[in-house]
Formats: sequence, C-alpha cells, structure tokens
Amino acid sequence: KAGVTQTPRYLIKTRGQQVTLSCSPISGHRSVSWYQQTPGQGLQFLFEYFSETQRNKGNFPGRFSGRQFSNSRSEMNVSTLELGDSALYLCASSLRDLLDEQYFGPGTRLTVT
Amino acid sequence: ELKVEQNPLFLSMQEGKNYTIYCNYSTTSDRLYWYRQDPGKSLESLFVLLSNGAVKQEGRLMASLDTKARLSTLHITAAVHDLSATYFCAVDMGTGNQFYFGTGTSLTVIP
Repeated sequence: KAGVTQTPRYLIKTRGQQVTLSCSPISGHRSVSWYQQTPGQGLQFLFEYFSETQRNKGNFPGRFSGRQFSNSRSEMNVSTLELGDSALYLCASSLRDLLDEQYFGPGTRLTVT
Repeated sequence: ELKVEQNPLFLSMQEGKNYTIYCNYSTTSDRLYWYRQDPGKSLESLFVLLSNGAVKQEGRLMASLDTKARLSTLHITAAVHDLSATYFCAVDMGTGNQFYFGTGTSLTVIP
C-alpha cells in the first residue's frame, strides 16, 4: 500500500509570493491534515479536511488556506509569503478523523528568501 | 489551548542504559500518540495509547498513559545507537478537532 506523498519536496520562494503544496493520502483515507514544523514553534496543526470540507483549523492567519478534492487529494496554499513561513510542511492522512491513527508524508521543505 | 510539554528536551545516553522521556499535557484527553522523527525525515508512528493505564511495548521502547495524572512516559531499555532520533508525543482534545504535539525530545545514544 503506497504511503502519503507530498510534492514538491523542496521549494524556494521570495517574500510576497504565494505557494501551493500538494498531498496525496493513502488510498481509502478520507481525512487529510496539514502541519507546520519550525525550530522555534515546533510542530503545529494547520487544518484538517474531510470530504472536500475544512473541518478543523489551527491558529494560523488567513494567508494559510487549503482545499481537498473528491479523490481526497489536498492542496495547501500560502499567500504573501513571509520569512517566518520557512518551515517543513507535513501532510498526514487518516481513515476518518484526527482520532484515527495519522500517517505522515515526507514533507515539503519551504524556504522563503 | 492545550499545552503539551516533554522533558527532557535533549537526552544523551550511553548504549545499554535505560531512560524515560516524560510527556505532560494540560487538559483532559484519553488518547496519546508517540512519534519518532529522524533528521530530515517525516514522522513515524510508534504508539497509540487509547485509555488510562494503557501500556504498549515494541522492542526496546515501552509507552504508558496515566490520564488522571495527564502523563505519558516513553521508557527506553538498553539503548542502542539506532534509537537516536527525536521523539514527539501528541494529544488530541478528545473531540477530534485539534491535535497538539509536544516540544520533542532529541535523543542521542552514544556507543
């Protein structure tokens, strides 16, 4: 069974630009969550999608958004990038919700210059 | 907001020794998760603890959960170099709408 995949794996952007990251969950998993990992703030929950709807959201500004498609694939978008957005962005999938075991993808390393 | 604290943050131990990592959380939750992260890699699920008193063991690692004390422990027995990694605990709010990670414990096992 294929694991969670994320693309791209590495990305360099300039302040003010926007970026879109992609996540393909494990087949059959309908819940997709996104996390930001930085040395200063650690691992923080961004949001969770289920059935093409954002079901839960962490404490991040509106510049961070996402969506989920009918095949459960998800994208995360960050607009007006700031230097502090440099981070490892991890996607996780689970069968139904955050109470189920989550399986993490390899992450996308975003560097904002 | 739920706070999840781990200690120690950094742990350097010799091969063959035993040690325990602690995870405290600030609000009621019946579920706790342990993950391992190798440098530059993603998170690997180690244990899912679903109730008070739950204990799970895999190889040299054993995790336990005391929901009344809001405490989980990850015990390492006879450490080997391959266990060097960062270990995270994580807690949900019990309602499935938020997920909080601990600060992480960076473990280095010295030969």
